[in-house]
Amino acid sequence: EAGVTQFPSHSVIEKGQTVTLRCDPISGHDNLYWYRRVMGKEIKFLLHFVKESKQDESGMPNNRFLAERTGGTYSTLKVQPAELEDSGVYFCASSQELAPNTGELFFGEGSRLTVL
Amino acid sequence: QKEVEQDPGPLSVPEGAIVSLNCTYSNSAFQYFMWYRQYSRKGPELLMYTYSSGNKEDGRFTAQVDKSSKYISLFIRDSQPSDSATYLCAMSVPGAQKLVFGQGTRLTINP
Repeated sequence: EAGVTQFPSHSVIEKGQTVTLRCDPISGHDNLYWYRRVMGKEIKFLLHFVKESKQDESGMPNNRFLAERTGGTYSTLKVQPAELEDSGVYFCASSQELAPNTGELFFGEGSRLTVL
Repeated sequence: QKEVEQDPGPLSVPEGAIVSLNCTYSNSAFQYFMWYRQYSRKGPELLMYTYSSGNKEDGRFTAQVDKSSKYISLFIRDSQPSDSATYLCAMSVPGAQKLVFGQGTRLTINP
């Protein structure tokens, strides 16, 4: 069974440009999460989808970030325009059951974003 | 103040040693406690999961939760070089669908 897939694995862009990160969850997983790790800091929650609906986007830093999950399958996270402080590793995770209380989160390998 | 504090290390021990990894937290509402292992350039993977206080054992790994002290631990017995990774503690409150992570401790087991 394929795991959570993320791409690109690494993206280098200049300040002010736009980047779109994609996440393909494990097939059949209705729950999809985005997390971010900024260098030197802990991994932080960004948002949670159940199918195509945003359940909790309390962790989104600001309106430069837009997450979508059309059709309840893959998800995209767009940063527009990117700022230096957006650099970090963006992790996607999925689960079949509602996690973390009742289910296991499966993480992708992350998309590393470097903003110059 | 961070909700979850974890010493980032690095921690280096010889093969076969017992390793103790710890986190403290400030939010008394946390009920679910997890340990994730993350190898270099990979995503975190769930290692242990504990609800409320007590101990849980899985092979060479033991997770402990002391809610009165707001302190959780992960013990690794007979450590192996393959255990070298970053270990992240994570917690959540009931009903919440988000994890609060510690910074992670980088562990190296030397052959």
